[in-house]
Amino acid sequence: GAGVSQSPSNKVTEKGKDVELRCDPISGHTALYWYRQSLGQGLEFLIYFQGNSAPDKSGLPSDRFSAERTGGSVSTLTIQRTQQEDSAVYLCASSLDVTRANIQYFGAGTRLSVL
Amino acid sequence: QKEVEQDPGPLSVPEGAIVSLNCTYSNSAFQYFMWYRQYSRKGPELLMYTYSSGNKEDGRFTAQVDKSSKYISLFIRDSQPSDSATYLCAMSAGLANAGGTSYGKLTFGQGTILTVHP
Repeated sequence: GAGVSQSPSNKVTEKGKDVELRCDPISGHTALYWYRQSLGQGLEFLIYFQGNSAPDKSGLPSDRFSAERTGGSVSTLTIQRTQQEDSAVYLCASSLDVTRANIQYFGAGTRLSVL
Repeated sequence: QKEVEQDPGPLSVPEGAIVSLNCTYSNSAFQYFMWYRQYSRKGPELLMYTYSSGNKEDGRFTAQVDKSSKYISLFIRDSQPSDSATYLCAMSAGLANAGGTSYGKLTFGQGTILTVHP
């Protein structure tokens, strides 16, 4: 596609429910990154993929968070048993490969609200 | 203490003013320094990146990096109302300097909210 696509753009869920957020990177980009942006905060790194493997998962806040990437393209970020503090904008980015991590292209994000 | 510090502002300037945005950092391994612009309810877009120390100019934008002081700046000349956005600095250690597998990780500042008044 022309840019990084994220879906849904908005998600409202109840505390305790599981949610799945999807990211479709730019075609041909092998590196994919997930970030979280809370109100008034900068971007917090969560995880990145090179191909289908995730060399760095250090930013995942707890074991309720997981991500996978299959086929070297689409990635899914899953949050289990959501909590109110999970409310944030979840941003996905991609780059040509991880050596070009300094040039990342971002999607518009998924705005998650946990009631 | 955060690895990257950025004054959140907000910063309000009249049209035509020169804007100065800056970040400080503590990790001496950082080699790549980026500036992103983020409009409301949009994803960040890369404005400029600089490798190591020095200056880089692109139109009305100039990025400066002073590694000895661990201080980076973005200058916007002849600011326009369309420049109103949040500006985020970001840094990475790069392939040669990051420990382990963390070279894909960017560390962002909090972002500075800029408003340019007509």
